[in-house]
Amino acid sequence: KQEVTQIPAALSVPEGENLVLNCSFTDSAIYNLQWFRQDPGKGLTSLLLIQSSQREQTSGRLNASLDKSSGRSTLYIAASQPGDSATYLCAVILRAGNMLTFGGGTRLMVKP
Amino acid sequence: GAVVSQHPSRVICKSGTSVKIECRSLDFQATTMFWYRQFPKQSLMLMATSNEGSKATYEQGVEKDKFLINHASLTLSTLTVTSAHPEDSSFYICSASTLRGNYSYEQYFGPGTRLTVT
Repeated sequence: KQEVTQIPAALSVPEGENLVLNCSFTDSAIYNLQWFRQDPGKGLTSLLLIQSSQREQTSGRLNASLDKSSGRSTLYIAASQPGDSATYLCAVILRAGNMLTFGGGTRLMVKP
Repeated sequence: GAVVSQHPSRVICKSGTSVKIECRSLDFQATTMFWYRQFPKQSLMLMATSNEGSKATYEQGVEKDKFLINHASLTLSTLTVTSAHPEDSSFYICSASTLRGNYSYEQYFGPGTRLTVT
């Protein structure tokens, strides 16, 4: 059974710092990996999707990398801002059309 | 594009009553819809997977007679919580999967429904 773990569970940083969120998964035979953002009491916003054949994706200040063989992904946030404060979830899907398995999330607080 | 809506966004009901939550894909046809539940400060847990026109597949530990799922069309799935109890209070989120977009089978999530059972 696929298990997804995110470290750290919570993170508090001052504004402007570059930071890295980690995600690991036990079954490396994934179809794709997705990073989401969730604000309190809200639904999920997809940030980046990395297909299994890709090694990274970038969007603005966000960069996500994928190392399938080691079962790891990282989300890099450059020049963090208070508006980045949210919970970040990573999720993997084993095959097309199948369900996502979520990690426990990292709660990020960026202090002004 | 690829917008998913949920209705209602919040609902408060009395113990023993039933509540229906709708999930709609607004601008695309969803071959598969997923229902998740999220308790405070926890991650999303998949409850069931539904394909249009067929019975839903429930995850282990989820009572199919309590959480009724109907996926009558390619744009609508409903989750009915029957005989709700306070322990059913949670945040329910649906997602819809489609072949459209840059990547096949990307899931698009609804905004969630906050259910409170008193």
